[in-house]
Amino acid sequence: AQSVTQLDSQVPVFEEAPVELRCNYSSSVSVYLFWYVQYPNQGLQLLLKYLSGSTLVKGINGFEAEFNKSQTSFHLRKPSVHISDTAEYFCAVNLKGAGKSTFGDGTTLTVKP
Amino acid sequence: GAVVSQHPSRVICKSGTSVKIECRSLDFQATTMFWYRQFPKKSLMLMATSNEGSKATYEQGVEKDKFLINHASLTLSTLTVTSAHPEDSSFYICSATPGGDYGYTFGSGTRLTVV
Repeated sequence: AQSVTQLDSQVPVFEEAPVELRCNYSSSVSVYLFWYVQYPNQGLQLLLKYLSGSTLVKGINGFEAEFNKSQTSFHLRKPSVHISDTAEYFCAVNLKGAGKSTFGDGTTLTVKP
Repeated sequence: GAVVSQHPSRVICKSGTSVKIECRSLDFQATTMFWYRQFPKKSLMLMATSNEGSKATYEQGVEKDKFLINHASLTLSTLTVTSAHPEDSSFYICSATPGGDYGYTFGSGTRLTVV
């Protein structure tokens, strides 16, 4: 079975500072990797995904993530955050060919002025 | 493209009644949809996999008689919480995918409050 660990439950950061949200996964087979954002009382919005190919993936809202197979990591980064980036961020994995997702526990990103 | 619509967004019901939540894929067909439950400040927990034209597959520990899932068409799956109790209060989210490399799209969620 696969698992996902988000290493930081809360990340406070000042506006315009860079941020990295860390995600490690465990799986004995190949996986797809995703980052989602969730605003209060809303569903999840896909930020970016890694399916294959280039290990550096660019997503919406200026976010990017790098797949590192040797370290089984998929950390999310943004060079300069905005107040509006304050939200809950979830890392998720899917086994290739399977549709259901396994989620990390989430990281609360709080951007302060 | 790949929009998933979930309805209602919020529902309050009395203890002992049943509530139906709908999940629709608006611009694609989905033979499989997924239902998740999210507790406050917690991650999403997969409840069941909804399969068009056949029985849903429930995750371990999920009561199939309490959480009835019906996937009668390629664009609609429903989750019915039967004989709801306050402990069923939660945020329920569905997801689906057009397949291939598209990825997974989530509905906007349903906040269920049982009083």
